[in-house]
Amino acid sequence: QVQLQESGPGLVKPSETLSLTCTVSGGSISSYYWSWIRQPPGKGLEWIGYIYNSGITNYNPSLRSRVTISVDTSKNQFSLKLSSVTAADTAVYHCARDRGPSFGYNFDHWGRGTLVTVSS
Amino acid sequence: DIQMTQSPSSLSASEGDRVTITCRASQSISTYLNWYQQKPGKAPKLLIYGASSLQSGVPSRFSGSGSGTDFTLTISSLQPEDFATYHCQQTYSTPWTFGQGTKVEIK
Repeated sequence: QVQLQESGPGLVKPSETLSLTCTVSGGSISSYYWSWIRQPPGKGLEWIGYIYNSGITNYNPSLRSRVTISVDTSKNQFSLKLSSVTAADTAVYHCARDRGPSFGYNFDHWGRGTLVTVSS
Repeated sequence: DIQMTQSPSSLSASEGDRVTITCRASQSISTYLNWYQQKPGKAPKLLIYGASSLQSGVPSRFSGSGSGTDFTLTISSLQPEDFATYHCQQTYSTPWTFGQGTKVEIK
C-alpha cells in the first residue's frame, strides 16, 4: 500500500522560504506524477504543481515565480520550496500521487498534510 | 484558469437520504472531472474519476455523471460515514483547479 508523509517546519517567517519533503513508501517514485496541493484555513484546495519522469515539472502560474519542486529518487522523496512567503501562504500542504494521463490525471494517494504557518 | 463552482456550499441531510452535489466548469472540460471526499484532519480520498468511473474500493452508493460543463455527484443512500466535505476537480488543463467544496452535515 502506497503511503505518503509530509515533513518540514510548521512555522516560517515572512519573506523566507518554505521547504517541505514528501516521503513515499510502498512504491517507487520513479513512475507516476507527484504533486503538491495546499488548503488555506477554511478555504478550498489549490494545486501547486507536479513533477514526473524524474524532473519534468508543471507549476501553477499563480505561484510559478516562487515554486520549485524536485525529486530525490535515491530516497524516494520529492520536495517543495516556496520562496518569499507571506501570511497568504499559511495553509495545510498535502503531497499526492497523480496517476497521470492514462487515468485522466487524478490523485489516488495523498499525504495527511502538514500545517505551515507564516508568521514572525 | 478554469473556474469550478460547486453547489450547494453546504447541506443538511439524514441517514438514508439521496444526496446530489453539482459542479459547474467555466468552460467545457469533457469528462476530466474528479470527486474527492475529505473528513476533518484527514487527506482527501478519490471517489470518482473521469466524471463517472468509481475508484476501486469506493462503495457503489457513490456515482458521478455529466460531461462538458455540468457534473453531478450522487450518494444514493447517505450513511453515517459519508458526512464530510466533497470537492470536485478538473484535470482538462493545467492549472488543475478545484471547486470550493460542499460540506454534508447531519440534519
